[in-house]
Amino acid sequence: NAGVTQTPKFRVLKTGQSMTLLCAQDMNHEYMYWYRQDPGMGLRLIHYSVGEGTTAKGEVPDGYNVSRLKKQNFLLGLESAAPSQTSVYFCASSYWALRDIDPRNAEAFFGQGTRLTVV
Amino acid sequence: AQKITQTQPGMFVQEKEAVTLDCTYDTSDQSYGLFWYKQPSSGEMIFLIYQGSYDEQNATEGRYSLNFQKARKSANLVISASQLGDSAMYFCAMRESYGGATNKLIFGTGTLLAVQP
Repeated sequence: NAGVTQTPKFRVLKTGQSMTLLCAQDMNHEYMYWYRQDPGMGLRLIHYSVGEGTTAKGEVPDGYNVSRLKKQNFLLGLESAAPSQTSVYFCASSYWALRDIDPRNAEAFFGQGTRLTVV
Repeated sequence: AQKITQTQPGMFVQEKEAVTLDCTYDTSDQSYGLFWYKQPSSGEMIFLIYQGSYDEQNATEGRYSLNFQKARKSANLVISASQLGDSAMYFCAMRESYGGATNKLIFGTGTLLAVQP
């Protein structure tokens, strides 16, 4: 029962390098999200997706790109990493929660996080 | 605009006492969902409790209850009989346009709770 899996768990990048973070979920969820967590700032939404082939910007999208070619995968890309992108990144997924379904299905499930350091 | 505010950066509580963590939200939608998550020092995000905007009763899950005051736009988490294992960061979150195309899930800045023996 994997749930939401993020890879890698740790990464150190040099300024200007690129990388892709992978998020995979096996719960057939429609919605997927990428967040970054920084001290004192909580979780801030970078990008999200409401279904295969669709993506949308969140609160802090600059410097990041995403793709959702398959329903179960949501990729977060950093084209040219900057020290300001040093953070812990979380992926999450959830059902399309309609009002009349079991509200317990409204929960978002999180991956274990990726600690990224840009030097 | 959608916004979650947690005004308590840190809280202390004695073991076995109750504690309330504050959360206020801003939305123009009539349909939305409110969530609380716990993040222990190990880093994982643990779902605690959920309240829908149309739910007339406050949500409860074991020692957790959500004090939902819709007119005041507040969704405070109450933890009864605190335990040492409750020491963690707690996040309030909201999903707007419940079921709609703009279904963002946003979080507050969190409250760090320390339970003292």
